[in-house]
Amino acid sequence: ETGVTQTPRHLVMGMTNKKSLKCEQHLGHNAMYWYKQSAKKPLELMFVYSLEERVENNSVPSRFSPECPNSSHLFLHLHTLQPEDSALYLCASSQDLGDEKLFFGSGTQLSVL
Amino acid sequence: GQQVMQIPQYQHVQEGEDFTTYCNSSTTLSNIQWYKQRPGGHPVFLIQLVKSGEVKKQKRLTFQFGEAKKNSSLHITATQTTDVGTYFCAGRNSWGKLQFGAGTQVVVTP
Repeated sequence: ETGVTQTPRHLVMGMTNKKSLKCEQHLGHNAMYWYKQSAKKPLELMFVYSLEERVENNSVPSRFSPECPNSSHLFLHLHTLQPEDSALYLCASSQDLGDEKLFFGSGTQLSVL
Repeated sequence: GQQVMQIPQYQHVQEGEDFTTYCNSSTTLSNIQWYKQRPGGHPVFLIQLVKSGEVKKQKRLTFQFGEAKKNSSLHITATQTTDVGTYFCAGRNSWGKLQFGAGTQVVVTP
C-alpha cells in the first residue's frame, strides 16, 4: 500500500466508449502525475498537476483529458481511444514539484479493442 | 532533447551471483533516482543520488552517481529471487524535468 489508490485496476473499452480513470492519494502531497507505461518503453509523463493547477502537458492527444478537482484526486477521462493507447496508466504523487520522489499507484491496465 | 539510456535491457542472473545495471544520460543531471517494479506491480522508489561521485548502499544494493553527473549504476551482490523485477533509473535535469530510462528487466535463476 503506497497511499496512492487507482481504480479500476483493469479496463477494456471499445474505441467509441468514454471512460474515466480515478486516482486518489492519502499522503497530503501537493503534486500529482499521470504516466503511461508501454512494454519496452520508458515511462512517459502525460500530465502534471501542482496544487490543482496543470503545470505540464507533454503533447498528449486530446482524447486524453485530465481533471484535478482537489489536491487529493486526479482523473483521466478517455474518449475515442485507439488500440495503440492500450497500456498501463500509472498515477503518482509527490510532496511538491522538483526534487521529490514519486509514489506510484498500482495502475490501470487499459485495453482498447 | 534529454535522453536516459539503460543497459542492459535484460539481465539473467544465477542466484548468488552479482550484477550491475547502468544508466547514462545525454545531459548533466541535477539528481538521479532509482525505482524497482516487481512483475505485475508498480514502480517503487529505491533511492536518490544528488552529489557528484556519490555512493549509497542499501543492504546488497550499491548505487553510484558518476563524477560528471551523467551516469549512474546499480550493483547487486549475491542476487536473490526477491531481486526479480525491472529496475528503472530516472534522471532530473537542471530544469527539473524527470526522464525515465526504459529499465533493466532482471530474471533470477535458482
